[in-house]
Amino acid sequence: QVQLVESGGGLVKPGGSLRLSCVASGFTFSDYFMAWIRQAPGKGLEWVSYISGTGDTIFYAESVKGRFTISRDNARNSLFLHMDSLRAEDTAVYFCARELLGHRKLAQVWGQGTLVTVSS
Amino acid sequence: DFQMTQSPSTLSASVGDRVTITCRASRSVGIWVAWYQQRPGKAPKLLIYEASTLASGVPSRFSGGGLHTEFTLTISSLQPDDFATYYCQQYNGFPLSFGQGTKVEIK
Repeated sequence: QVQLVESGGGLVKPGGSLRLSCVASGFTFSDYFMAWIRQAPGKGLEWVSYISGTGDTIFYAESVKGRFTISRDNARNSLFLHMDSLRAEDTAVYFCARELLGHRKLAQVWGQGTLVTVSS
Repeated sequence: DFQMTQSPSTLSASVGDRVTITCRASRSVGIWVAWYQQRPGKAPKLLIYEASTLASGVPSRFSGGGLHTEFTLTISSLQPDDFATYYCQQYNGFPLSFGQGTKVEIK
């Protein structure tokens, strides 16, 4: 069945780096836009970044632009988020999400999320 | 930016009730609004897109409406599984943005 599994979250100090991964299964990965969406503890949802199937179209939220880099490896059905210069306000559960086909700005399939905690 | 404001923030209701959640956009987003449901500790689930189109597998008791700046999500007869938090999202323009959420709790 269609599935997304994130990994790579953890505790990191302010200013540190972390790389999140998401492995997809059950669909043709390269056909879909993929996204990272986050949720701070007890808070609402924030769209962080998305990337086209070929990787040539990328969007970042202003809050992460210049610090986060999204990428994908279609041969390994994998999506990544490299996070640098992490701040306390980046603390959140990070969800990997797949578009609703033909609707790149909608998240139809979600992973279970991975928690990133930025604290000294 | 497109700000999305939901009301109410919390809604207390009973099984069988009809409930409506409102989402207002700071400027016109056309029909480009989606609704998600999130149960505690779980990932969100897409319910509705293009303001009123039901996503695959979503029960017909859910419906959406609206245009430009005012949108609604209605649950015609609340079921036990429906006690959750609901978010609207605009996807007319960047940055993509969500409302702050409406928690539907048991009265």
